[in-house]
Amino acid sequence: QQQVKQSPQSLIVQKGGISIINCAYENTAFDYFPWYQQFPGKGPALLIAIRPDVSEKKEGRFTISFNKSAKQFSLHIMDSQPGDSATYFCAASMRETSGSRLTFGEGTQLTVNP
Amino acid sequence: DGGITQSPKYLFRKEGQNVTLSCEQNLNHDAMYWYRQDPGQGLRLIYYSQIVNDFQKGDIAEGYSVSREKKESFPLTVTSAQKNPTAFYLCASSSGVGTEAFFGQGTRLTVV
Repeated sequence: QQQVKQSPQSLIVQKGGISIINCAYENTAFDYFPWYQQFPGKGPALLIAIRPDVSEKKEGRFTISFNKSAKQFSLHIMDSQPGDSATYFCAASMRETSGSRLTFGEGTQLTVNP
Repeated sequence: DGGITQSPKYLFRKEGQNVTLSCEQNLNHDAMYWYRQDPGQGLRLIYYSQIVNDFQKGDIAEGYSVSREKKESFPLTVTSAQKNPTAFYLCASSSGVGTEAFFGQGTRLTVV
């Protein structure tokens, strides 16, 4: 089974601080790495995504860093705000004969204290 | 508004009953997916479909069944064979390989 390992399971950060969530994958055939944000009782929503031909992608306060040789990627949230408090999932997908599907990490519950 | 609609939001099932969760999308997406979410765990893939009248088992398909008779609809049936069905079920769709998956708001199923 293809796996994506995510850490930490939970994270508490002060307002204005940097939140860092890490993911590691095994299958080198993965070619799409999105991060999703989920609020309680809601479906996940895409936050930012990266492909393995770039090492970093930034959108506003959110940055993905990608290390292809280490098979790791991480999400950095700069100037964290209480409104960022949510569960974050990394994911990975690849082309298969039957199409493609996302494999998710276990999730990180982020709490940003005011 | 374009999006994915899941219904009902809450569903209660008696032991031994089959129940069907609805998922409809008006995004004209070819691919649709069903995920199960348990507390403290990630999303686990139940079934997915890349095209009408075709679908594939995911990682935890046992005790579930699906159909894809229309592009817009991908209902999930939780059968009595699923021994631990209490969970949050999420439907998603995407336009193709390596593209954003859009999720519905979920159905919370509870066995009573």
